[in-house]
Amino acid sequence: QKEVEQDPGPLSVPEGAIVSLNCTYSNSAFQYFMWYRQYSRKGPELLMYTYSSGNKEDGRFTAQVDKSSKYISLFIRDSQPSDSATYLCAMSGTGNQFYFGTGTSLTVIP
Amino acid sequence: DAGVIQSPRHEVTEMGQEVTLRCKPISGHNSLFWYRQTMMRGLELLIYFNNNVPIDDSGMPEDRFSAKMPNASFSTLKIQPSEPRDSAVYFCASRQRTGGRETQYFGPGTRLLVL
Repeated sequence: QKEVEQDPGPLSVPEGAIVSLNCTYSNSAFQYFMWYRQYSRKGPELLMYTYSSGNKEDGRFTAQVDKSSKYISLFIRDSQPSDSATYLCAMSGTGNQFYFGTGTSLTVIP
Repeated sequence: DAGVIQSPRHEVTEMGQEVTLRCKPISGHNSLFWYRQTMMRGLELLIYFNNNVPIDDSGMPEDRFSAKMPNASFSTLKIQPSEPRDSAVYFCASRQRTGGRETQYFGPGTRLLVL
């Protein structure tokens, strides 16, 4: 079993839709949860960061962590064509290594 | 800050040649990571350094791959000899660990094509 599972998509939504992206994980020691956005032919860029359980909101983006279910989500409200990218979840525990999902490809259609 | 800097951005080489990828981490970051990304496998950790010391190289595919970090501002990933299956995008990332915040910042990547 992989440490982190993420549906690769692709996901295609109309502009203005609410997007939900999810990851599950198996290691209960994970405490730090991140979402990265990667545009085509670019490096991943940090989008959201959450420590332990709970919600975090930043503009149109909301990250949720449910440690009891080992499930994290990223919601994008009022999605825009500029949100079209691959979204990678990542997580780590007290150690140094990060564990990444394989990424979900999102296209927002104008 | 200029962010993580990688060079070259693109590299095309022939099978059997030596390839050297370079990375300059963000100043003040004390951890550096090398990743490889392909469509099939996604993002794979190859090796990471803490305070210039290699900590975990279990992700390095085989002896053809080697990495060094001679000082806090520079690292190299070398492939010798290169093979077509090494074709991928190689990312370097550095980590900030301040006040409990754990994040990695990625460079733009080096696109390697081995013919």
